Amino acid sequence: GNSVTQMEGPVTLSEEAFLTINCTYTATGYPSLFWYVQYPGEGLQLLLKATKADDKGSNKGFEATYRKETTSFHLEKGSVQVSDSAVYFCALSGIQGAQKLVFGQGTRLTINP
Amino acid sequence: EAGVVQSPRYKIIEKKQPVAFWCNPISGHNTLYWYRQNLGQGPELLIRYENEEAVDDSQLPKDRFSAERLKGVDSTLKIQPAELGDSAVYLCASSREQGVSNSPLHFGNGTRLTVT
Repeated sequence: GNSVTQMEGPVTLSEEAFLTINCTYTATGYPSLFWYVQYPGEGLQLLLKATKADDKGSNKGFEATYRKETTSFHLEKGSVQVSDSAVYFCALSGIQGAQKLVFGQGTRLTINP
Repeated sequence: EAGVVQSPRYKIIEKKQPVAFWCNPISGHNTLYWYRQNLGQGPELLIRYENEEAVDDSQLPKDRFSAERLKGVDSTLKIQPAELGDSAVYLCASSREQGVSNSPLHFGNGTRLTVT
């Protein structure tokens, strides 16, 4: 079936460190890929997306590239801030026309000053 | 624009009791979703509405869960009777565009249910 596998957390980094959160997917067809973020006490919100192979989504300094050959959508940021502390979810949709999102298990990120 | 509004924010009930959650989506959003998020996991879809029609309820445990979206706007999700394993965060989301798979979902803050 369709699934998303994320890097196990929690991840703890110091401010200004480089961040990578790995995400790989299993799907038939060509899904759209998303990263959602959940800040403490808030609802899930869309961080970035990519809808076809080799697309790069970017927002707030975060980037992720849709890699069809490796079925991956890794999240990266060059210099993290304390305010980036949150839970990050990789997700896919669009399998066989379905709109529903299939989420990974989430990765908790903590940035220390 | 105002976001997706859910209530209550928290609910604690004893097992075998009924419980209901309410969601008001963003104005103009035709598609509404209910997700369940267990602790340490990603959200899982329970049901999706296009206007007032439930178009995907394949993962809704229909023996105890029910949902409705009268008039195609706000929605309620009910559990009767609740079981210990129903403890989770129940998320409502909405999106604007029908039939567009990459239309972003807007989530509410969720209702955290604890069944004792």
